[in-house]
Amino acid sequence: ETGVTQSPTHLIKTRGQQVTLRCSSQSGHNTVSWYQQALGQGPQFIFQYYREEENGRGNFPPRFSGLQFPNYSSELNVNALELDDSALYLCASSIQGNQETQYFGPGTRLLVL
Amino acid sequence: GNSVTQMEGPVTLSEEAFLTINCTYTATGYPSLFWYVQYPGEGLQLLLKATKADDKGSNKGFEATYRKETTSFHLEKGSVQVSDSAVYFCALSEWETSGSRLTFGEGTQLTVNP
Repeated sequence: ETGVTQSPTHLIKTRGQQVTLRCSSQSGHNTVSWYQQALGQGPQFIFQYYREEENGRGNFPPRFSGLQFPNYSSELNVNALELDDSALYLCASSIQGNQETQYFGPGTRLLVL
Repeated sequence: GNSVTQMEGPVTLSEEAFLTINCTYTATGYPSLFWYVQYPGEGLQLLLKATKADDKGSNKGFEATYRKETTSFHLEKGSVQVSDSAVYFCALSEWETSGSRLTFGEGTQLTVNP
């Protein structure tokens, strides 16, 4: 059984650019959540996807958007990058009926210059 | 809204010392509670969980008891090892009409010296 995987591991972008981060959920898991973890802080919920639709959103602007695919993998897209978007982006998967127990991937570290 | 407060770190202990990391929460309903651990350069690993009052979660020698009366979920370990050095996050999850999301505390950095 494979765990949650994310790509890329590291990324450097400049302000104003756009970025796409990818996540493959754990086998059998159909719900994906994304979190932003700034340096020295706890993760903050961005949004959750279930059945290819957004199923809850945190306090993030619309330039943060996502997709979920039929195989339950997911993308996080961020437009018009700002310096404060520099963070570790974590993907977590869970199973319908037990969505509260979430299993995390290793994260993508994004640096915006 | 929901929130989680952890004791301020960092915490530095000697090997075989007793560990307590305090966690209290605020929630509107009846959340499930979690402890996650993050090793340097890695994502979060689920350490233990409890889903209702008076439940005790345990794993790898760590324990935490869901105390509804004090809204707390303190993490304890009787004898820490150098390999336990990491950042520990307390979190809660509460089901909402729009899915289930985790709310995290700020994290507590633990360093265990040999």
